Order: sequence, then C-alpha cells, then structure tokens
Amino acid sequence: AQSVTQLDSHVSVSEGTPVLLRCNYSSSYSPSLFWYVQHPNKGLQLLLKYTSAATLVKGINGFEAEFKKSETSFHLTKPSAHMSDAAEYFCVVSGASNAGGTSYGKLTFGQGTILTVHP
Amino acid sequence: GAGVSQSPSNKVTEKGKDVELRCDPISGHTALYWYRQSLGQGLEFLIYFQGNSAPDKSGLPSDRFSAERTGGSVSTLTIQRTQQEDSAVYLCASSLAGGGGNIQYFGAGTRLSVL
Repeated sequence: AQSVTQLDSHVSVSEGTPVLLRCNYSSSYSPSLFWYVQHPNKGLQLLLKYTSAATLVKGINGFEAEFKKSETSFHLTKPSAHMSDAAEYFCVVSGASNAGGTSYGKLTFGQGTILTVHP
Repeated sequence: GAGVSQSPSNKVTEKGKDVELRCDPISGHTALYWYRQSLGQGLEFLIYFQGNSAPDKSGLPSDRFSAERTGGSVSTLTIQRTQQEDSAVYLCASSLAGGGGNIQYFGAGTRLSVL
C-alpha cells in the first residue's frame, strides 16, 4: 500500500521569498515520487520526479525537491516565489516497476497544497 | 496530436442517464490511466490499461463504472445511471510504458455535472 500526506492545505508567501511545500509518503516498495502542479482550469503538469538516481531533484521553473528516506519526506522548494507560481501542487507516489499487484503503475495523490503568492 | 486529448471538455447530464467520456492518449504510449478529481475526495485512481494485459480496475467506485480501450489506443469511460455524486472532473493520462517510474501525461479533463 502507498499513501501521501501533504502537511499544509494552504501556503501563502510574498513574491521573492522562499517556498516550502511539505510532503510525507508511505510505500511498501521503493517509491517513485513526483510533484505535479495544476493552475486554475488547467491540466496537471509535471514539475519533477524522483526515481532513485539522485536524492536532490531539480525540476522546471526553479523548483527542486529532496528525497529523504529516513524521514519519508519529499518536500518541494523554490528559493524565490513568482506570482505565476500561484497554483495547486500535488505530491504523488507511484509503485516501483517490480512492485506487482494493484499498486503497479497507478499514482496516489496527496490532497494538494494551494500556493498563494502576494505581491 | 501532441498531448492527451479528452472529450467532451464539459458534460452536463441528468441523474439516471448514461455518459461516455473519451480519451485519446499520446501516440505510442502503451499505458493509459483514468483518474477522478472531486472536491471531497481529491484525485483518485480509477483504472489502468497496459498493453494487452487485463486492466487494473481496482479503483472503480461501483459497477456502474466501466472502461475499455480499443486497439491499444483510444479509451472510453462509461458511467451508467449517473448519480449526483459522480459529478467531478475525469482525467485521463498516458505514459510510454507501465510501471511506477514512468511519467504520466495528463489531459485537460472532462468536467461532468450530474443534475
């Protein structure tokens, strides 16, 4: 079984300040982890993914995330927020390719974190 | 097309009617997924197709929901005797192959409203 907990339903920052969106996961297998972003009335867009090659993952638009196995965390960060970053962010876990069973391939989403950026 | 295409983009129906939602995956992608996004439940997995293998239907909420994928490409999600709680955005995704590490690319979704 796998699950994801996003620790904040809403995060509000000022433009130019750092962003931290927190995510903890649970997985019976070596997980693949993703962050997706959804702008209002738009589809889901991949920000970055972790699949065990490196614990610090860089994504698009200046975002990065660090995989910490000991803490079962995969927090998303950005050094300086931009107004265009305002959106909903989803932390996602997927079963490993050798997981088998019903977790194979499907994504399990966190409840989402709405990021608001103030001028 | 370049991305995952879903149709219709919006669907309004009356309670008790059947609806069909269509998904055209990215060409060459062997894996196809359906998810549902609703206010109360967030994003939930519904069903997963991989090549010619039997689909993983473990996320379908009731026997009113079914899906098929013809010719390994286009997929149709059918909801019979729709209920108000079926109102949600239905998202389709495809990936080059199945398995946990593969990136899933999402369509814009079909917004279903059951009156």
